[in-house]
Amino acid sequence: DIQMTQSPSSLSASVGDRVTITCRTSQSIATYLNWYQQKPGKAPKLLIYAGSSLQSGVPSRFSGSGSGPDFILTISSLQPEDFATYYCQQTYSTPYTFGQGTKLEIK
Amino acid sequence: EVQLVESGGVVVQPGGSLRLSCAASGFTFADYTMHWVRQAPGKGLEWVSFISWDGDSTYYADSVKGRFTISRDNSKNSLYLQMNSLRTEDTALYYCAKEEGMSYEFDSWGQGTLVTVSS
Repeated sequence: DIQMTQSPSSLSASVGDRVTITCRTSQSIATYLNWYQQKPGKAPKLLIYAGSSLQSGVPSRFSGSGSGPDFILTISSLQPEDFATYYCQQTYSTPYTFGQGTKLEIK
Repeated sequence: EVQLVESGGVVVQPGGSLRLSCAASGFTFADYTMHWVRQAPGKGLEWVSFISWDGDSTYYADSVKGRFTISRDNSKNSLYLQMNSLRTEDTALYYCAKEEGMSYEFDSWGQGTLVTVSS
């Protein structure tokens, strides 16, 4: 199975900050890497697919980069509604593993 | 608008069985691969299973293989998860999710249905 290691596991930041979250894969996955946002009590929401493609309707302050083994989610200027938990996921091979999550909290 | 609505989650004893359903609308269900993903209370996301658009291909996480069976009825726009030999560690919120093409990403999710395995 492909292991996904996200860092950091938690992060405190302020509105307007630039934030990066890293996902490291245990083997090459080309760009079969997706990012999701989950708010408490809600289902996950797709933000980025194929490593760097922005899902329709997602604000442009979110961006993804990397091509293995390190992928990065960047939020260019944090907004109050961005405080949530973020997960990476590989869809290169089954099982489609998720990272352990990064909880983004208000400083 | 895509809608996925899960149902069937209840409290069940260890060793018991349960069938979850996911009713789909707002898209051509028969064209898409579908997945189940679960989330234990306070924990992260765990992929459980997927089924191809025609039902011919299915895959399972090792943690559920041999106990869970995914199926679909395209005439009813419905996805199912038959869960047997349930264990306490199967306690989780179960989501169904629709797979989109380019990176097999999960572009739509239901709200989840809670399965609690407890004596």
